[in-house]
Amino acid sequence: DIQMTQSPSSLSASVGDRVTITCRASRGISNYLAWFQQKPGEAPKSLIFAASTLQSGVPSRFSGSGSETDFTLTISNLQPEDFATYYCQQYDRYPPSFGPGTKVDIK
Amino acid sequence: QVQLVESGGGVVQPGRSLRLSCAASGFTFSSYGMHWVRQAPGRGLEWVAVLAYGGHNEYYANSVKGRFTISRDNAKNTLYLQMNSLRAEDTAFYFCAKDHGVNGDRGIDNWGQGTLVTVSS
Repeated sequence: DIQMTQSPSSLSASVGDRVTITCRASRGISNYLAWFQQKPGEAPKSLIFAASTLQSGVPSRFSGSGSETDFTLTISNLQPEDFATYYCQQYDRYPPSFGPGTKVDIK
Repeated sequence: QVQLVESGGGVVQPGRSLRLSCAASGFTFSSYGMHWVRQAPGRGLEWVAVLAYGGHNEYYANSVKGRFTISRDNAKNTLYLQMNSLRAEDTAFYFCAKDHGVNGDRGIDNWGQGTLVTVSS
């Protein structure tokens, strides 16, 4: 099975900051990588698929990059509604696997 | 717009069974792969199972293989998860999710609100 890791596990940031979250796969997964946002008490929300393609309706301050084993999610100009936990997921091989999450909270 | 509404959660004793349902609307249900993903309280996301658009290809997490069965009724726009031999470690919120593609291998694009399953004596 493919293992996914994320760093950092948590970070504190201020409104307006640029935030970068890293996701690493234990083996190459091409660009079969998705990012999700989850707020407390809510279902996850899909942000990005195919490593860099924004889901419909997702603000352009979110961007994704990377391929094979190393990926990043960048949030530019952090907004109050962006404080949440972010998960990456590979879907190159079964079983699809999630990273452990990165919690972004207010500094 | 896409809507996924799960139901069927509740409290069940270890070793018993439960069936979850996910009612889909706002898209052509029969044209997309569908997933179940779960999340134990306070924990991360764990993928559970996927089923292709026609119900012909299914895959499971090792943790549920042989105990859980994913199925769908395209005439009723409904996805199911039959859970047998439930264990305490199956306690979680269960989310239904739609895939971009027909076979469930192009990434999740929409999620339901989840239903809570608690396995306890």
